[in-house]
Amino acid sequence: DAGVIQSPRHEVTEMGQEVTLRCKPISGHDYLFWYRQTMMRGLELLIYFNNNVPIDDSGMPEDRFSAKMPNASFSTLKIQPSEPRDSAVYFCASSPGIVLASTDTQYFGPGTRLTVL
Amino acid sequence: DAKTTQPPSMDCAEGRAANLPCNHSTISGNEYVYWYRQIHSQGPQYIIHGLKNNETNEMASLIITEDRKSSTLILPHATLRDTAVYYCIVRVGPMDTGRRALTFGSGTRLQVQP
Repeated sequence: DAGVIQSPRHEVTEMGQEVTLRCKPISGHDYLFWYRQTMMRGLELLIYFNNNVPIDDSGMPEDRFSAKMPNASFSTLKIQPSEPRDSAVYFCASSPGIVLASTDTQYFGPGTRLTVL
Repeated sequence: DAKTTQPPSMDCAEGRAANLPCNHSTISGNEYVYWYRQIHSQGPQYIIHGLKNNETNEMASLIITEDRKSSTLILPHATLRDTAVYYCIVRVGPMDTGRRALTFGSGTRLQVQP
C-alpha cells in the first residue's frame, strides 16, 4: 500500500488566493483527518470524516476553511481567501473503521507545506 | 482526554537505550496510553499503545506503572534515525467515544548522538 498520499507537497501562494490541498487515504480506511502544524500551536485537528461524512469540524479556524470528502478515496481542504497566518504544514491521516477495542492507529501522510506571502 | 507531561528534550547515545517518560496522573480507567513520533519533515508515526500491561513490539517497549499515572517508552538500541519528537497521548478507546481525533502536546525532542 502506498500509504496516505497528499498533494501538493509544497505550495506557495499570495495572500487572497484560493488554496486547495488534496488527500488520498489508505484504501479501506473509514476515517480521514486533517491536522495543521505550526511552531506556535503545534499539531492540531481541523476536521475529521467518518465514511465521507464530517463528524467534528470544531477545529476549523474560520469560514475561510472548508473540507470535503466526495468519496472514500479523496478529500480536499480549501482555504479561500488565504492569509499569511495560514502558513503551516497540513497533514492528512486515515484510520481503519473496524477496530479492536484497544486499537486506534492513525496513519499520516507526508504533509503539505503551505506558505502564504 | 487526560493531560500528559513530558520533558521537552532528551539526549541519548547511539546504541544505548532511550527511556522517554510521560506523566499522566489524571488518567481514567478506560484511557489508553499511545505513543507517536514525528521525524523531521514527516508526518507522525504510530509506535505503540497500552492500557495496563507492559507492551512490546518491533519498535519499542511501553512500561506503564501499576497505578497508571506514568509510563516510559523504551527504544532498546537507539539509532540516529530515532531522532524525532515523541508524543505521549492519553485517550479513551475508540469504542468508548465517537471522537477519534488525537490531541498532541508538545512532546519530547529526542536527539540521538553518534
